[in-house]
Order: sequence, then structure tokens, then C-alpha cells
Amino acid sequence: EDKVVQSPLSLVVHEGDTVTLNCSYEVTNFRSLLWYKQEKKAPTFLFMLTSSGIEKKSGRLSSILDKKELFSILNITATQTGDSAVYLCAVRDYGQNFVFGPGTRLSVLP
Amino acid sequence: DTEVTQTPKHLVMGMTNKKSLKCEQHMGHRAMYWYKQKAKKPPELMFVYSYEKLSINESVPSRFSPECPNSSLLNLHLHALQPEDSALYLCASSQPRQEVGELFFGEGSRLTVL
Repeated sequence: EDKVVQSPLSLVVHEGDTVTLNCSYEVTNFRSLLWYKQEKKAPTFLFMLTSSGIEKKSGRLSSILDKKELFSILNITATQTGDSAVYLCAVRDYGQNFVFGPGTRLSVLP
Repeated sequence: DTEVTQTPKHLVMGMTNKKSLKCEQHMGHRAMYWYKQKAKKPPELMFVYSYEKLSINESVPSRFSPECPNSSLLNLHLHALQPEDSALYLCASSQPRQEVGELFFGEGSRLTVL
């Protein structure tokens, strides 16, 4: 059965800190790995990774995929209170299926 | 602004009511999804339509009935629900299996069953 694991499940930091969120997976016929940010409503898309070793970057957020070791990390530098959210990792197979991990709940304190 | 539109945003219904959730997208996506999300849990897949045909049904109880009238619309018909069905129902769309693409979510319909 396809499985996505995230760690830590919960994290509390102060503004300005750097955080690393982890996602590991066991998926048959891996196609892509996606990161989403969820505040109070629907998840919003951050990154999609398909190739190993290529870093995706958007402002203070960056992510990289290791297909050999079956994991990805999401880095957030100089955290702000607006980064407080649940960060979801999802993996897509070659069908229509997107499997979500449990999420990491990040709280950034002022 | 989300490109996947869901209505209603909030719905309160009794256990004997019949209601429907609606979803619309105009991105030309040919795969559409219903997810259920309980508080502090990740989205849980319910149904997937691919090219307007039901392709995945994750053993969802028959009191939930999906319908895909055309490539832009997705409905979820609700009948005789239980209080434990109260949750955020998320519609999403993506490119079908031949293409790599992300899942675009609507803002969700928050359902309360009394």
C-alpha cells in the first residue's frame, strides 16, 4: 500500500528561525512529489518535484527530492508568523492517485 | 482566487435531508476529485473521475453519490448522512494520467450533519 510519512508532526519556532520539514514515501510507480501549505481552508500548491537533486525555490522556501532514498525536504528560512500552517506532502503515481502524508503543523511565534 | 469553485461554502443538514455539493473548474482538466478532510487530518480521497468516468471509488458509503455531468462539473449528492460525516469536503482537479501536474483545490464545502 502506498504510504507517505512526514516529520516532525508538529514544530514550534520563533520568527527568523530556519526550519526543515521531512517527507518520506513508499509509492509504486512514483510520478511526482508535491508540497502544499494549508491554513484555514484548502491546501495551496507550493512545489512539484519530479527529478532527483534539482532544488525548487520560491522566495524563502525551497525543496529538493532524493528519488534513490525516497524522501524530500522543505526548507523555510527566516520564518515569519505568516508561515504558520500545516505543510502537506503528497505523492502522485502514474494513475490519478495523490497520496497525502499526515502533515507537519508549523507554528511561528513572534 | 481559486480556479476551482465550490458551492456552498457551508452546509448544515439533518440526517434525513438530501443535499448536493457542487464543483466547477475551467482549466481544461480532465481529472476531478472529491476529498474528505476531518480536523487535523490530511485530505482523504473519496472519488476520482477521469474523462468524466468514475475511475477510483475508495470504498465510500453509498450515502455519498458522485456525479460528473461534463468535463467542468463535479457534484457530490448527499443522502441520509451521519454526524460523523461532518467534515470539509474538498474538490480538486488535475491533468489526467498522461501528464505531470499538480492538484488544484477548491476552497472546500464545510458540512455539518446534525
